[in-house]
Amino acid sequence: EADIYQTPRYLVIGTGKKITLECSQTMGHDKMYWYQQDPGMELHLIHYSYGVNSTEKGDLSSESTVSRIRTEHFPLTLESARPSHTSQYLCASSAAGTELYGYTFGSGTRLTVV
Amino acid sequence: QKEVEQNSGPLSVPEGAIASLNCTYSDRGSQSFFWYRQYSGKSPELIMFIYSNGDKEDGRFTAQLNKASQYVSLLIRDSQPSDSATYLCAVKGGSQGNLIFGKGTKLSVKP
Repeated sequence: EADIYQTPRYLVIGTGKKITLECSQTMGHDKMYWYQQDPGMELHLIHYSYGVNSTEKGDLSSESTVSRIRTEHFPLTLESARPSHTSQYLCASSAAGTELYGYTFGSGTRLTVV
Repeated sequence: QKEVEQNSGPLSVPEGAIASLNCTYSDRGSQSFFWYRQYSGKSPELIMFIYSNGDKEDGRFTAQLNKASQYVSLLIRDSQPSDSATYLCAVKGGSQGNLIFGKGTKLSVKP
């Protein structure tokens, strides 16, 4: 079944650790996105990619980095986690021509940095 | 100026009533409009999209678009407690054509 997967679902990690949040999709979508969302708050776009070897920063400044070496895979890395990074991270993808299809979201990773 | 505006609510309606959710947008050139539902602690799921002026119906949901007024709405008929969630309006816009999300309206349907 075509879908978008995020791992881990929950992560509690200590300050200063390096972490990578995984996102993979099996729909063959060219476009992928990372959003950050605090509880009860709006979505903030932090990174996006329109294809392999293409990455851009979003509207919200983020200390994270992303890579897009394969179409299906769009991991997000924090080199040194801080408590301010505690949030929910949502990955999404879309086919070319979002006029009709919108975005499909993964289940999210809830990150807590202690 | 915020590009996509929604009343944050909470909007409270009794079970069986019609819930009306509203959204305005600033980019007059926007072409596509989406409604997402997000349950607490979950990720957003697409429930409706519309790109032509007028109404689009899908089951209990009706999306309404008025491009001249830069206004899009979502009506939920026969509201159920399971409809209680935050509803996000999204507009395709900007130079990159990414979706721009509103802050969302929290809907509470009381039994």
